[in-house]
Amino acid sequence: GDSVTQMEGPVTLSEEAFLTINCTYTATGYPSLFWYVQYPGEGLQLLLKATKADDKGSNKGFEATYRKETTSFHLEKGSVQVSDSAVYFCAPWRRGTSYGKLTFGQGTILTVHP
Amino acid sequence: GAGVSQSPSNKVTEKGKDVELRCDPISGHTALYWYRQRLGQGLEFLIYFQGNSAPDKSGLPSDRFSAERTGESVSTLTIQRTQQEDSAVYLCASSQGVRAAEQFFGPGTRLTVL
Repeated sequence: GDSVTQMEGPVTLSEEAFLTINCTYTATGYPSLFWYVQYPGEGLQLLLKATKADDKGSNKGFEATYRKETTSFHLEKGSVQVSDSAVYFCAPWRRGTSYGKLTFGQGTILTVHP
Repeated sequence: GAGVSQSPSNKVTEKGKDVELRCDPISGHTALYWYRQRLGQGLEFLIYFQGNSAPDKSGLPSDRFSAERTGESVSTLTIQRTQQEDSAVYLCASSQGVRAAEQFFGPGTRLTVL
């Protein structure tokens, strides 16, 4: 079955630092790839996605590029803010009647200090 | 409603008791998913419903877990004879269909089994 390996946290950074959260996956075929974010006290929400190889997803200053050759989808942001403190989840997704469910990584806790 | 809602937000129960968790999906979303998030771990898929098709129950951890959905509306997740290892946050999500990539999550129900 599909699986995801995420960079272990927690990750603690100062404001304006550069962020990378690594994510690699195993999946048959060509899944779409997602990053979800869970802010304190809130439900998960989609941060960004990429649907095919070499696609770059971006949102709120975050970016991730779908690398088929390395089966990776690393999340990056050039300058983090305190408001980015949250838990980040990488998830591959395959379209199809049997594969509608998301396979989540274990989550990476990010804390940004002023 | 505007988003996915879940109730109760918190539930504390004694070992051996039954609990029922409720999820109200976004109106018009035909697919509904249940996930479990244990402390410090990623999300585990439990079950999903798609329209009138048979649900995918492949993630239910034991026969103490069951779920129902009435049409394309409310779903209930029932855990019988709760155990301490059932303590977790139970998340519900909905999407426009199982072929729709983005899932919208509710805030979750935090279950504590004493």
